[in-house]
Amino acid sequence: AQKITQTQPGMFVQEKEAVTLDCTYDTSDPSYGLFWYKQPSSGEMIFLIYQGSYDQQNATEGRYSLNFQKARKSANLVISASQLGDSAMYFCAMRELTTSGTYKYIFGTGTRLKVLA
Amino acid sequence: DTEVTQTPKHLVMGMTNKKSLKCEQHMGHRAMYWYKQKAKKPPELMFVYSYEKLSINESVPSRFSPECPNSSLLNLHLHALQPEDSALYLCASSQDRGQGVYEQYFGPGTRLTVT
Repeated sequence: AQKITQTQPGMFVQEKEAVTLDCTYDTSDPSYGLFWYKQPSSGEMIFLIYQGSYDQQNATEGRYSLNFQKARKSANLVISASQLGDSAMYFCAMRELTTSGTYKYIFGTGTRLKVLA
Repeated sequence: DTEVTQTPKHLVMGMTNKKSLKCEQHMGHRAMYWYKQKAKKPPELMFVYSYEKLSINESVPSRFSPECPNSSLLNLHLHALQPEDSALYLCASSQDRGQGVYEQYFGPGTRLTVT
C-alpha cells in the first residue's frame, strides 16, 4: 500500500527566510504523482505544486519548489522568502490509481508552519 | 472557472435530523470526491464518483449517503448522525484519466456540528 509520511508536526520560520517541509513516500508503482497543498485556518485546500515520477526536473511554482529525490523517495517542499500569509497547514499527497481505475489521493499528516515577523 | 462551491458553509443539526450537503463544479471534471476532516488531521476520503458512478466507498457508515445527479453536482445526504460526525466536509474534483497533473480542486468546505 502507498504511504505518505510528514515527520514535522510544526515548524517556525522567520519572515523572508526559506523553509523546507519534509515529505517521504512509499509506493511500488513506477508511475505516481506527488502534490503539496496549503490549508489556511479558513479550511480551504489550495494546490501548490506537483511532481510526476517521470519528471526529469524538480518542479517550481513561484516561491515554491519541490526537492524531488526519487531514490530516497522524498519530495520536500521549499518555500523561499517566507511571508506572514504562508502560515498554514501544509499537506503532502500522493495520487494512487485504484483497481477500479479511479484515482485516489493519499494525504500525509501535515506540517503546521508559523511565519514569525 | 476553476471554482468548486459548497453549500451550506456551516450546518448545525440534531441527531434525528436529515440534511444534505451540496457541491458544484463547472470545470468539466469527471471525478468528484467527499472528504471528512477533523481538526488538525488530514482529509479522510469518504467517497469517489467517476463519470457519475460511485467508484470508491471507504467503508463509510450508511448514515452518509452520496449522490451524483449529474457531472457537475455532488450531494451528501445526512441522516441520524452522531456527535463524532462533527467535522469539516470537503468536496473536491479532478480529471480522472491519463497521466497529467490532474490536481484536485477543493471547495471551501461545510463545517458540520451534530448536537
